[in-house]
Amino acid sequence: EAQVTQNPRYLITVTGKKLTVTCSQNMNHEYMSWYRQDPGLGLRQIYYSMNVEVTDKGDVPEGYKVSRKEKRNFPLILESPSPNQTSLYFCASRLTRAYGELFFGEGSRLTVL
Amino acid sequence: DAKTTQPPSMDCAEGRAANLPCNHSTISGNEYVYWYRQIHSQGPQYIIHGLKNNETNEMASLIITEDRKSSTLILPHATLRDTAVYYCIVSPDQTGANNLFFGTGTRLTVIP
Repeated sequence: EAQVTQNPRYLITVTGKKLTVTCSQNMNHEYMSWYRQDPGLGLRQIYYSMNVEVTDKGDVPEGYKVSRKEKRNFPLILESPSPNQTSLYFCASRLTRAYGELFFGEGSRLTVL
Repeated sequence: DAKTTQPPSMDCAEGRAANLPCNHSTISGNEYVYWYRQIHSQGPQYIIHGLKNNETNEMASLIITEDRKSSTLILPHATLRDTAVYYCIVSPDQTGANNLFFGTGTRLTVIP
């Protein structure tokens, strides 16, 4: 089944404890992206990647890192999480760099205490 | 990249057509209009997209004005399961910037 898989789905952590949210797609998609969703603010893009080893900042990249060493994986890294990073996170992928529908993962709800 | 504006909320009676507007007045010639919806806190789901011509699929119809500055998503016979947040975005078809702006969308409530 074609899908985008995120892990963990739910996480409660404490300020400063490094964490990684993994994202994997099995559709050989070139483009991958991370979004965060907060009440009243909609979906905001954090980082995106148009291919292996190519990443770019979105609207809200501060406090996040990403890497794209393999085509299927696009992990989101929070080196030193803070409470303002408490949010619902979505990973998405698309077949080509600039065209086509986005496929979203089920979301990862992160709480930073 | 062009940004979009949508009304924050709309209601629609069950069984009636739901018409969701989107303004994208700064859209450029190579940008497509895409629609997605998000039910509760699930991942957004693709609905339909178009460039210039009207489009229809099994889920919805998309009407794009001739000047391409606005569009309307039509759910022909809304059901309770169509209650969701609907997002209209524009996306370039070539190697432009790929910062896809979703905004806050329109919360559609289908009323029994």
